[in-house]
Amino acid sequence: SYDLTQPPSVSVALGQTAIITCAGSNIGTKKVHWYQQRPGQAPVLIIYINNNRPSAIPERFSASTSATTATLTIARAQVGDGADYYCQVLDSGSWVFGGGTKLSVL
Amino acid sequence: EVKLLESGGGLVRPGGSVRLSCTASGFYFGNYAMSWVRQTPGKGLEWVSLLTGSGGRTFYADSVRGRFTISRDNSKNTVYMEMSSLSAEDTAIYYCVKEINSVFESWGQGTLVNVSS
Repeated sequence: SYDLTQPPSVSVALGQTAIITCAGSNIGTKKVHWYQQRPGQAPVLIIYINNNRPSAIPERFSASTSATTATLTIARAQVGDGADYYCQVLDSGSWVFGGGTKLSVL
Repeated sequence: EVKLLESGGGLVRPGGSVRLSCTASGFYFGNYAMSWVRQTPGKGLEWVSLLTGSGGRTFYADSVRGRFTISRDNSKNTVYMEMSSLSAEDTAIYYCVKEINSVFESWGQGTLVNVSS
């Protein structure tokens, strides 16, 4: 089975840039999507197919992908960005999530 | 506006069965694959199953294959998940999700299935 590895937690100072990574074998060949889940709420799509944002998502959210790692970047972090973030890909008929990263905005 | 409303969750005895339903609105239901994703309280997301828009193809996670069955009634804009031989490991919030091109585009609010004696 395909595995995606995310750091369990990331901290960022208010107004600074947060970086969340998602490592997977040959992830650069896959379409990577990112979801935000605030406490007590359902996940929300924030980035699709590597670096596309739904219309309601601020430009502060961006993403990129290298051969082995996908990266979510949150510029000018706000208190409301504190949430769990998940990467996700489709691999061989299986939709796979990373373990999730808890972002704390300090 | 896309809306997905799950129902059918609750307390289930180990070894028991339950059927979840998800009624959709705000889009042409038959054109889209629908999926179920679950989340153990306090843990991460786990994809469970997906059914194509026509209902012709199904996909299951290894952890549920043979025990869970996904189906849909496009005339009712509803997708179902029949779950059997349940164990404590199946305790989770089950989300109904609209899928397009491998993306989980829209999510319901979820329904909790608690497997406990």
